[in-house]
Amino acid sequence: GAVVSQHPSRVICKSGTSVKIECRSLDFQATTMFWYRQFPKQSLMLMATSNEGSKATYEQGVEKDKFLINHASLTLSTLTVTSAHPEDSSFYICSARDHNGLNEQFFGPGTRLTVL
Amino acid sequence: GENVEQHPSTLSVQEGDSAVIKCTYSDSASNYFPWYKQELGKGPQLIIDIRSNVGEKKDQRIAVTLNKTAKHFSLHITETQPEDSAVYFCALLDWGALTFGSGTRLQVQP
Repeated sequence: GAVVSQHPSRVICKSGTSVKIECRSLDFQATTMFWYRQFPKQSLMLMATSNEGSKATYEQGVEKDKFLINHASLTLSTLTVTSAHPEDSSFYICSARDHNGLNEQFFGPGTRLTVL
Repeated sequence: GENVEQHPSTLSVQEGDSAVIKCTYSDSASNYFPWYKQELGKGPQLIIDIRSNVGEKKDQRIAVTLNKTAKHFSLHITETQPEDSAVYFCALLDWGALTFGSGTRLQVQP
């Protein structure tokens, strides 16, 4: 199947700093990528939809100025958590939709963010 | 947005037994219903999906059934093995994005 990578897999940062997470589709082109957040023992919650070459669409309650998304190419989307606080600690997962029209979404391995 | 209910939240079976997880939804024009398996500390992995033009799809020990009239779809795992232990999520496509169920923690006892 299609492969999606995320980097870094784990990051620990101090409160107030910014953290960038990269999501790459390795063997297919993704015009649309998605960012999710998952708290322990909970389901995935969609944060935003990222479309290549245009602004991201954020879900209700997600601060666009805090979670900056850039989708500059068909294989790369980045999520930057700005001025991170302990409550931002979570598992962030991206997914990419293959633009073959079949609607399949493939997920990255996730990034564990811990804000001290 | 769409709401997806998933049951049970936890499921424990003996190795070799079957496991069934069911999801219901309320109001959707979705035509795509995937199932994901998530192991601890990893991202979800697509294991099977079904589209609304069919009622059942099978891939080795895994099968999915869809009843659009009743608005429910189910995952069936036969001959379960310890490596099937994980959290399973159903999902459906809602306005271009996936809406997930709450997840089922499956434990296969050897």
